[in-house]
Amino acid sequence: GENVEQHPSTLSVQEGDSAVIKCTYSDSASNYFPWYKQELGKRPQLIIDIRSNVGEKKDQRIAVTLNKTAKHFSLHITETQPEDSAVYFCAASRRSTSYGKLTFGQGTILTVHP
Amino acid sequence: GAVVSQHPSRVICKSGTSVKIECRSLDFQATTMFWYRQFPKQSLMLMATSNEGSKATYEQGVEKDKFLINHASLTLSTLTVTSAHPEDSSFYICSGRYDRSNYEQYFGPGTRLTVT
Repeated sequence: GENVEQHPSTLSVQEGDSAVIKCTYSDSASNYFPWYKQELGKRPQLIIDIRSNVGEKKDQRIAVTLNKTAKHFSLHITETQPEDSAVYFCAASRRSTSYGKLTFGQGTILTVHP
Repeated sequence: GAVVSQHPSRVICKSGTSVKIECRSLDFQATTMFWYRQFPKQSLMLMATSNEGSKATYEQGVEKDKFLINHASLTLSTLTVTSAHPEDSSFYICSGRYDRSNYEQYFGPGTRLTVT
């Protein structure tokens, strides 16, 4: 089955700096890669996603890049703000099988210091 | 956007009892629902995938007789934790998808289960 590795496990930045979180996946047939933000005790919130036919996607301060050859994808947050502090999870799925079940990375605790 | 609710949000039960958690898609028909378990400071681990009207598919290591899943309609799935023990205490989250052509899963708010 799919295996997703996420790094770093914790990331501390100063407000205004950029933050980068990286994930690798094992199943070359995976074709959907979402990123979620989760605050303590809350549901995961989709912040951005990318499909395998696209190499990069941007939404305001958030961007995701995908390298299918190397089987890794990254989340980039620019101009970080204290409210960006949360746990971030990457995930991967293969839509055509198993009804698109998601395999999650281990999570990154992002702390943005004012 | 698509909304998923869960009930209850928190539940405390005694060891040996059973607990039922409901997951409802409020404004879409969820052809597929997923159940996850999340222990403190850990990631979401998929427990099972269920499709309306058919038996759930459980992930390796998840006891199907302990975690009973019923997906009776396109808007309701239930997870029953039978004979709960303290090690079953966790955050249980469901999600739904509304058709096979849509990649995104819509997550419920989660249920905090504490077994004493």
